[in-house]
Amino acid sequence: TQLLEQSPQFLSIQEGENLTVYCNSSSVFSSLQWYRQEPGEGPVLLVTVVTGGEVKKLKRLTFQFGDARKDSSLHITAAQPGDTGLYLCASTDNDYKLSFGAGTTVTVRA
Amino acid sequence: EAGVVQSPRYKIIEKKQPVAFWCNPISGHNTLYWYRQNLGQGPELLIRYENEEAVDDSQLPKDRFSAERLKGVDSTLKIQPAELGDSAVYLCASSLESGTGPEAFFGQGTRLTVV
Repeated sequence: TQLLEQSPQFLSIQEGENLTVYCNSSSVFSSLQWYRQEPGEGPVLLVTVVTGGEVKKLKRLTFQFGDARKDSSLHITAAQPGDTGLYLCASTDNDYKLSFGAGTTVTVRA
Repeated sequence: EAGVVQSPRYKIIEKKQPVAFWCNPISGHNTLYWYRQNLGQGPELLIRYENEEAVDDSQLPKDRFSAERLKGVDSTLKIQPAELGDSAVYLCASSLESGTGPEAFFGQGTRLTVV
């Protein structure tokens, strides 16, 4: 089972600021996903990255996959209160087991 | 298209009592997952089904937890007897296999409180 480390554990910022959260592993990801989970809801898939060095953008969210496919980052530009939530990275092994990191709790203050 | 449906949303039981959770996955999704999530933590896999076969139940505490997925569609997760430490949110997810691996869709979860 691949161990995913996410940092920071908590992040609190003011509306309009930027933020970056990280996901790292000691082994290579076959693919990596980012999810966002709001209180009382299940996680919702934001993006899947597969190729080393890949960059994907989703409105104000930018996802990067490290060249060695061992790390990934999620950058939010001009954060809004609606971005508040638990951000989770997840990976699959060769057996399609979907494993999650512990998550980063992001709070955006109005 | 309906998403993953779980019931009940909330359950409060006394310790040593049994409890069951139900999940209806997205139509056509062959893979079904049960996860347990503690507050502020990531989901931890309990069991994964491919159709009606449990292909990964290594994290399921089999002395008190059981699961089934009859006919490869709906699934139930049971705890008997429940312990205080079982208090958590139990999430069900389903997925289709894609070229880049599974992309899971989650239900809203069942929040279990054992008192």
